[in-house]
Amino acid sequence: AQTVTQSQPEMSVQEAETVTLSCTYDTSESDYYLFWYKQPPSRQMILVIRQEAYKQQNATENRFSVNFQKAAKSFSLKISDSQLGDAAMYFCAYRSAGAGGTSYGKLTFGQGTILTVHP
Amino acid sequence: GAVVSQHPSRVICKSGTSVKIECRSLDFQATTMFWYRQFPKQSLMLMATSNEGSKATYEQGVEKDKFLINHASLTLSTLTVTSAHPEDSSFYICSARRVHEQYFGPGTRLTVT
Repeated sequence: AQTVTQSQPEMSVQEAETVTLSCTYDTSESDYYLFWYKQPPSRQMILVIRQEAYKQQNATENRFSVNFQKAAKSFSLKISDSQLGDAAMYFCAYRSAGAGGTSYGKLTFGQGTILTVHP
Repeated sequence: GAVVSQHPSRVICKSGTSVKIECRSLDFQATTMFWYRQFPKQSLMLMATSNEGSKATYEQGVEKDKFLINHASLTLSTLTVTSAHPEDSSFYICSARRVHEQYFGPGTRLTVT
């Protein structure tokens, strides 16, 4: 079974600064997807960024970028120019790329990291 | 596009009663929906996978007879918490799979008194 570990329960950053959230995972599969989700106080889950394991290039979405190290099974999220609206709980998640089966598309989440942004 | 709704957003029920939570994909069809439970400041715990037209697949440790899941159409899955007790109080989130992505509902806060 796959596991996802986020070792930072809480992180804080000053507005306009950069912060990196860590995530490691364990899997025996070679093809999979990794995600970062944001859960603000409203508790609506929002997809921040997605990385396909077969792609060597790190995914980026505006101020959000990842450092994907497949051999090390590491998938960190960097938030640049942090904004007050970035304050949320962030979850790293894993999904197998295998097709079919009754649990196709099932996500495995890490424990989450609470990010505080100071003005 | 890819909007998922949940109803109700909040519900309070008395111990021993049952409560039904609906999850709808508003602008797409979802053959697979997922139900999660989340405690404050904790991660999402997958309860079950709901497949249209077939029985749900429950995660280990989740009571099938207590958490009844019905996926009767391609846009609707329901979670019924039967004989609810205070320990069932939690935040319940559904998601619907569309191709390779999961889209999440806004969640339902259940309080059992």
